[in-house]
Amino acid sequence: NAGVTQTPKFQVLKTGQSMTLQCAQDMNHEYMSWYRQDPGMGLRLIHYSVGAGITDQGEVPNGYNVSRSTTEDFPLRLLSAAPSQTSVYFCASSYFGTEANTQYFGPGTRLTVL
Amino acid sequence: AQSVTQLGSHVSVSEGALVLLRCNYSSSVPPYLFWYVQYPNQGLQLLLKYTSAATLVKGINGFEAEFKKSETSFHLTKPSAHMSDAAEYFCAVRERGSQGNLIFGKGTKLSVKP
Repeated sequence: NAGVTQTPKFQVLKTGQSMTLQCAQDMNHEYMSWYRQDPGMGLRLIHYSVGAGITDQGEVPNGYNVSRSTTEDFPLRLLSAAPSQTSVYFCASSYFGTEANTQYFGPGTRLTVL
Repeated sequence: AQSVTQLGSHVSVSEGALVLLRCNYSSSVPPYLFWYVQYPNQGLQLLLKYTSAATLVKGINGFEAEFKKSETSFHLTKPSAHMSDAAEYFCAVRERGSQGNLIFGKGTKLSVKP
């Protein structure tokens, strides 16, 4: 099992550019989510999905889009990058239906917007 | 809304000393509680979780945490710190009956002095 994988590891964008952060998991997890991590802020939920075709907003969704066409993949799209989106992004997945389920995290994507 | 408070953004201990990292939650109904560790430039790894089976939870790497309902706390401890414990530690909660979203504290960075 590769677990949760994320690409790219690092990315530098200019303000206004768009890009997609990729996330994939091979554990057949129904639940997937995206967080951003900023110094002193912990992790904040951007978007999440409880299954293919179902997505919902988290705490900080503005400026980001997601879709879930397969169980395995959950890409995060930045439509028009802004310096405020400079952050480390983590994707996570878990089984859905039991709240005690462990969320497994990917290694992260470090994004800088100039 | 549910919240998580981690007292102390930085904690420094000597090698061999007790590690105590504090976490308090706000819900009146005990949630599911998790401690994650993040080593530099890596993703988050689960240390332990409370699912109401036992109030004292043992995790990996010699860590344990005790759930105290009367104090709404879930503090993380380790009897003897090792240099390899230097990392950032996050407490997280998931409300019972929720969609599975984790709410994270802001994190505590642990330094271990030789």
